[in-house]
Amino acid sequence: SQKIEQNSEALNIQEGKTATLTCNYTNYSPAYLQWYRQDPGRGPVFLLLIRENEKEKRKERLKVTFDTTLKQSLFHITASQPADSATYLCALVSILTGGGNKLTFGTGTQLKVEL
Amino acid sequence: DVKVTQSSRYLVKRTGEKVFLECVQDMDHENMFWYRQDPGLGLRLIYFSYDVKMKEKGDIPEGYSVSREKKERFSLILESASTNQTSMYLCASSPRHGPYGYTFGSGTRLTVV
Repeated sequence: SQKIEQNSEALNIQEGKTATLTCNYTNYSPAYLQWYRQDPGRGPVFLLLIRENEKEKRKERLKVTFDTTLKQSLFHITASQPADSATYLCALVSILTGGGNKLTFGTGTQLKVEL
Repeated sequence: DVKVTQSSRYLVKRTGEKVFLECVQDMDHENMFWYRQDPGLGLRLIYFSYDVKMKEKGDIPEGYSVSREKKERFSLILESASTNQTSMYLCASSPRHGPYGYTFGSGTRLTVV
């Protein structure tokens, strides 16, 4: 069966360090992968998209890698700040026949950045 | 500021009631989605729609129905609410073409007692 796995344990890191979150998947062949941030009691917010033919994507302090051989994406936040504390979700993209895309989400990893 | 608006942040309903959750987006998006989010299970897709009056079942449609009479509005209906439908419900929208990110609403936390 299809499965998306993110580390369910919270990741605690010190301010200024690089946070690395992992998303592994099985029985999928996604054309795209997306990452979202979710704060408590709020809806997820889109951060980054990476295509299957892209190895790496950057946006400010964020970096995403996508390895279709390993079936894994890594999400990095460099120079982390307490304001980066949130839950981060990965999502695999399936293209709909009628147009657009359908996302299947992992369960998310909670990141806590401590002073 | 573009937005997906869900009509209620918190709702408490009784078992057996018919419940309507409303979602409106102002981005002229074709695709709209309803998810529920539960601890340890993540976001699970209930229904989606890629056009007015069109609907498609997601992964967990049982006990739910939807309505899309206008492009900007997508309603989720719980025909007869049950306690196992207590959850956070999230609406999202996206353009039809391209792998664009979703825009989510703030969610409705529904409690069925």
